[in-house]
Amino acid sequence: GESVGLHLPTLSVQEGDNSIINCAYSNSASDYFIWYKQESGKGPQFIIDIRSNMDKRQGQRVTVLLNKTVKHLSLQIAATQPGDSAVYFCAENGVILTGGGNKLTFGTGTQLKVEL
Amino acid sequence: ETGVTQTPRHLVMGMTNKKSLKCEQHLGHNAMYWYKQSAKKPLELMFVYSLEERVENNSVPSRFSPECPNSSHLFLHLHTLQPEDSALYLCASSQVVGTGNTIYFGEGSWLTVV
Repeated sequence: GESVGLHLPTLSVQEGDNSIINCAYSNSASDYFIWYKQESGKGPQFIIDIRSNMDKRQGQRVTVLLNKTVKHLSLQIAATQPGDSAVYFCAENGVILTGGGNKLTFGTGTQLKVEL
Repeated sequence: ETGVTQTPRHLVMGMTNKKSLKCEQHLGHNAMYWYKQSAKKPLELMFVYSLEERVENNSVPSRFSPECPNSSHLFLHLHTLQPEDSALYLCASSQVVGTGNTIYFGEGSWLTVV
């Protein structure tokens, strides 16, 4: 079946370095992607999204890159801070349910650890 | 503050108990969702309500019973649960219309079944 998956379960970076979290998807029809951050004991928090008609989108300290040719998505965090420590999920959001509403497909996530 | 509020944050219940989880969204959305998050597993979609009508029931056992009295409130009624139902239950909301409408999550309700 279709899936959205992340390459690495854990990523460790030094404070101040840039972080890159990768995500692969298998549904070539996917046209909208979201990155979420989930801190321990909290719900997923929206970070940034990107549509398939774009290959790059920037936010505050974060950039998402989309490569539709290889079905790959990445989240780049500049100058990583201790507060960035969390699990990061990519999600594909291209299914509109009969009657409305969206159906996200999540991967298992990447744990980002920031070392001081 | 995410705009989606869940209560209680923590719940411990016996297998014969009946309890409910509550969710309220303050974002003016008209679709609401229940997700289940277990350790080392991807988030699992349980139910979707769009314009107060259930549009998705993702093969969830009948011991979980959702209720959506209006577009701002969503409940998950729990009865005769099993220990394997222990998990984080996340409520979320979004706008209905169009693809690419971001889904916003609450902080979750941690459920332990003993």
